Amino acid sequence: GQNIDQPTEMTATEGAIVQINCTYQTSGFNGLFWYQQHAGEAPTFLSYNVLDGLEEKGRFSSFLSRSKGYSYLLLKELQMKDSASYLCAVRDPQRGGSYIPTFGRGTSLIVHP
Amino acid sequence: DSGVTQTPKHLITATGQRVTLRCSPRSGDLSVYWYQQSLDQGLQFLIQYYNGEERAKGNILERFSAQQFPDLHSELNLSSLELGDSALYFCASSVASGGLTDTQYFGPGTRLTVL
Repeated sequence: GQNIDQPTEMTATEGAIVQINCTYQTSGFNGLFWYQQHAGEAPTFLSYNVLDGLEEKGRFSSFLSRSKGYSYLLLKELQMKDSASYLCAVRDPQRGGSYIPTFGRGTSLIVHP
Repeated sequence: DSGVTQTPKHLITATGQRVTLRCSPRSGDLSVYWYQQSLDQGLQFLIQYYNGEERAKGNILERFSAQQFPDLHSELNLSSLELGDSALYFCASSVASGGLTDTQYFGPGTRLTVL
């Protein structure tokens, strides 16, 4: 099984940089996802890390350290529309060979002017 | 817009009733996943279907069942509803069977309220 920990809430200022951390304990690691979810809406895929290191995609970057069971999502040049919940999800193997992600409770990011 | 569609958007019903939620995956996707999201539980995996067959099972109650039809759309049936079943139900789809290169794309969800 998986145990995923991320902060419940963070606040930041428009234009700034924010780092959202995720730590996990797993019986088997097969990749880590970050999703963005606005209130009442569907989670939207942001990034996927399976190897150690930094993956950059525009204003968003995601980092993974498998030895430390640690990932972070870095958001640069924050905009008001970035106010949302950010979900960290870790894949574990299931019966039948499917790698189903287990989701953390999410970090609610509030961006203020 | 992810390309995954779900109906209805909202559903209000009473305890003890039965409802059916419907999901159509993105064009070309063979897998459908169902999740439940409540305020106190986060996003919980219920069940996965791949090309019509059950592929993986999560924390799905016996009162709940699902199926995937030949046209690949899926239905989640919830019966003997309880107040605690009130939640957002999401469907997601992926191209393949849930392997390491598969990414899930989520539909807009169905908000179920049980009174």
